[in-house]
Amino acid sequence: AQSVTQLGSHVSVSEGALVLLRCNYSSSVPPYLFWYVQYPNQGLQLLLKYTSAATLVKGINGFEAEFKKSETSFHLTKPSAHMSDAAEYFCAVSEDAGGTSYGKLTFGQGTILTVHP
Amino acid sequence: DAGVTQSPTHLIKTRGQQVTLRCSPISGHKSVSWYQQVLGQGPQFIFQYYEKEERGRGNFPDRFSARQFPNYSSELNVNALLLGDSALYLCASSPGDRANYGYTFGSGTRLTVV
Repeated sequence: AQSVTQLGSHVSVSEGALVLLRCNYSSSVPPYLFWYVQYPNQGLQLLLKYTSAATLVKGINGFEAEFKKSETSFHLTKPSAHMSDAAEYFCAVSEDAGGTSYGKLTFGQGTILTVHP
Repeated sequence: DAGVTQSPTHLIKTRGQQVTLRCSPISGHKSVSWYQQVLGQGPQFIFQYYEKEERGRGNFPDRFSARQFPNYSSELNVNALLLGDSALYLCASSPGDRANYGYTFGSGTRLTVV
């Protein structure tokens, strides 16, 4: 069964500092991996996705993530944090193995990013 | 192009009542999925529909049901509401039925059960 663990429910950084949000996954088949961002009282916005092509994935707003199979990780990074990056971030996995899991996304518990001036 | 639209945005219901939530996918998208997001948690998968057929079902009781119409819009129905059903219900649309297409989420319907 697929699962996602996001290490750290809250991460705080200063404006201009590196952002690192950690995600580890469990999957019985090669996974598809996603990062979503959620602003207060809004839905989820896709930041980036890994679908078995390049292991370093670039997304919107300067974010990128690297798929490391040996570490079962898909950490999200941004070189320089901006105040507008403050939000909740969710990592998600899909095994896409058919059956009752067809197209199903399994989400982590989320990481709230706070950016200090 | 319009994104994924959900209605209503907010809803208050009493325990035991029934509720219907609606979702219109992005034009051209044939897949609609429903997720429940309880406060402080990640979204949980409820259903996926593709071309009007159920393609996936999460670990939710039979009180939860859904359908997809010929125009690919979808409804989520919840019967015999419980306090624990209070959550943000998210709809996601996709061009196809596989996860690698990616999903676009709506802003959700906030359901409060009192």
